Amino acid sequence: GQQLNQSPQSMFIQEGEDVSMNCTSSSIFNTWLWYKQEPGEGPVLLIALYKAGELTSNGRLTAQFGITRKDSFLNISASIPSDVGIYFCAGHPAGGTSYGKLTFGQGTILTVHP
Amino acid sequence: GAGVSQSPSNKVTEKGKDVELRCDPISGHTALYWYRQSLGQGLEFLIYFQGNSAPDKSGLPSDRFSAERTGGSVSTLTIQRTQQEDSAVYLCASSFSGGRYEQYFGPGTRLTVT
Repeated sequence: GQQLNQSPQSMFIQEGEDVSMNCTSSSIFNTWLWYKQEPGEGPVLLIALYKAGELTSNGRLTAQFGITRKDSFLNISASIPSDVGIYFCAGHPAGGTSYGKLTFGQGTILTVHP
Repeated sequence: GAGVSQSPSNKVTEKGKDVELRCDPISGHTALYWYRQSLGQGLEFLIYFQGNSAPDKSGLPSDRFSAERTGGSVSTLTIQRTQQEDSAVYLCASSFSGGRYEQYFGPGTRLTVT
C-alpha cells in the first residue's frame, strides 16, 4: 500500500527555536493534512492543503503542499512548551479511493525544553 | 459544536472476553472511520463507513473484529475473544463526504487486555 515517510522521527529543541518537519511519498497526493496529538488525546487537525504549491498558516504554524505533489512541509516558528506532542502528516493519494481514506506518516515526536 | 466522542475512555478486560467500543461522530458527518494506535506507533486503518454501510473493511485484523453503524450516526466496534495483542488505543474519526478529506478524531478508547 501507500507509504508516507515522515522525518525526523523525533526532535529535541529549545523554547524559541523554529521547527521543520516533512513528509514524502513515492506517488502523487491530492490532499495533505497535518495533525497534532497530545498524550491521552486524539489527533487534532492543524492545517489542510488541497493545491500544489499551496502555503497555509495557522498562527505560528505554516505548511506547504509541495510542487511535485509528493511532499509536504510543516514549520513551527518560535516554539513554546505547549507545542510538545506528536505531529502526523496524512494524505489522500491521487487516484486513490473515491472516499477519504488517508495514508498517515509515522509521526514526529517534538520535545521542547524551556 | 460538539466534536467526536468515544466511550469508554478506558477499558480493562480479561483475555477472552468481548468488548464494545462506541463512537458518536460529529452531527452531519456521513463518513466514519475506525483506527488502531499501538503504543508509540502511527495510526492503523481498520474500517470505513459511509452512512450505515461499510464499503472498506480491509483493515480489520481478524474475524474477531466487527463494527456496525446505525442511523448514519453512532458506531460500535466489537472485539470478540480479546487477546493481549488487541491492547491499543482505538480512535474514531468522522468527516463530510464529497471531496473534502479532513477527518476529525475523537479522544480514543484505551483498551488493555490482561
